[in-house]
Amino acid sequence: GAVVSQHPSRVICKSGTSVKIECRSLDFQATTMFWYRQFPKQSLMLMATSNEGSKATYEQGVEKDKFLINHASLTLSTLTVTSAHPEDSSFYICSASRQQSNYGYTFGSGTRLTVV
Amino acid sequence: KNQVEQSPQSLIILEGKNCTLQCNYTVSPFSNLRWYKQDTGRGPVSLTIMTFSENTKSNGRYTATLDADTKQSSLHITASQLSDSASYICVVSAGGSARQLTFGSGTQLTVLP
Repeated sequence: GAVVSQHPSRVICKSGTSVKIECRSLDFQATTMFWYRQFPKQSLMLMATSNEGSKATYEQGVEKDKFLINHASLTLSTLTVTSAHPEDSSFYICSASRQQSNYGYTFGSGTRLTVV
Repeated sequence: KNQVEQSPQSLIILEGKNCTLQCNYTVSPFSNLRWYKQDTGRGPVSLTIMTFSENTKSNGRYTATLDADTKQSSLHITASQLSDSASYICVVSAGGSARQLTFGSGTQLTVLP
């Protein structure tokens, strides 16, 4: 099956610091990965599409300078929350799809970010 | 605007009982509908994926139905277990990109012993 690993699962950081979250496709190559944000009891909200070897595509209202995305290889995408503030505290989830597959999106296990 | 509405918002049942969760959508064009299970503090895990031509699909104790005419889907859970306690999310796709996914807000299911 398709496995997506996300790390760390939980992180607490101080305001003003940066945090990096990794998303890896373990048993398949993913030219595209996706980053979501989820607030308590709400739907997943797509933040950006991470494209291997090129710039990420951000959804409207998402600050590209605050949420830096790097997709350096076919199996790894990273999301860096820069100069974190308490309002950035949330649950961040990545997903990836096998190439040439229109159906299967596999989600990572998520990262709970708390900014204090 | 594409929308996916789920009901009920929350549901509490006793272990061993059956339950049915509902999903109504207004998504166009329609590509497929997916049900995911999301445990607290975890990412969603796929249960079923149905295309336009599929009326029902099962995955163990989970059975999803789709009525493309009325734009409704349901997820039936049989003989519930404590481990079924989770949020169940209905996601409708309008195409092959994740940007074309519309997420419901989920039904929070609690199974009590």
